[in-house]
Amino acid sequence: QSALTQPASVSGSPGQSIAISCTGTSSDVGGHNFVSWYQHHPGKAPKLMIYDVSNRPSGISNRFSGSKSGNTASLTISGLQAEDEADYHCSSYTSGNTPYVFGTGTKVTVL
Amino acid sequence: QVQLVESGGGVVLPGRSLRLSCATSGFRFFDFAMHWVRQRPGKGLEWVAVVSYDGGQKYYTPSVQGRFIISRDNSENTVSLHMSSLSIDDTALYYCAAARSNSWHNFDYWGQGALVTVSS
Repeated sequence: QSALTQPASVSGSPGQSIAISCTGTSSDVGGHNFVSWYQHHPGKAPKLMIYDVSNRPSGISNRFSGSKSGNTASLTISGLQAEDEADYHCSSYTSGNTPYVFGTGTKVTVL
Repeated sequence: QVQLVESGGGVVLPGRSLRLSCATSGFRFFDFAMHWVRQRPGKGLEWVAVVSYDGGQKYYTPSVQGRFIISRDNSENTVSLHMSSLSIDDTALYYCAAARSNSWHNFDYWGQGALVTVSS
């Protein structure tokens, strides 16, 4: 099972909006509404930010939003803040030879 | 407060075995499936294994099938990963993660990871 494709890095200035893409296939992202996103500050525990494509867990800022079109899911961070600087990983349920697949990861830099 | 704390990582020779443990607290352990996810140096996350809430169902990524065994102790709120026939490719930071039993695909809670280095 190949990893989902994410851009290696995305950057933006404080207050701006950025979007991170997560591209898979019809066997994973495109075939199921089971895409989730994780924020990971190195050395700390990853944190669930979005589940089932577009839902936010309790306590997650509404500056974070998720969507999907075809085989590509996206995480949008609006009103970018310094604390948003982290690595972001998408994941999806898959009907391939392994039930779950992660993305290649994206480093978000706040300029 | 939810906590997942991995332990048991270290440096091990190729071909040898190692057992990771994950101690949990702050949530209803029995209501959650438990996963192991790893991150090789410079790479993205990779799902490794999952065990159902009652230990009755276990699934593995093909590259570890037959070498790794996931288990859980619901009386101690812990999950373990016994890794054998380790190779250099198994070098990674290993995370345990909890997923509600009605949505195994959402990794709700994570630990900070345990580093496993396989080296001669």
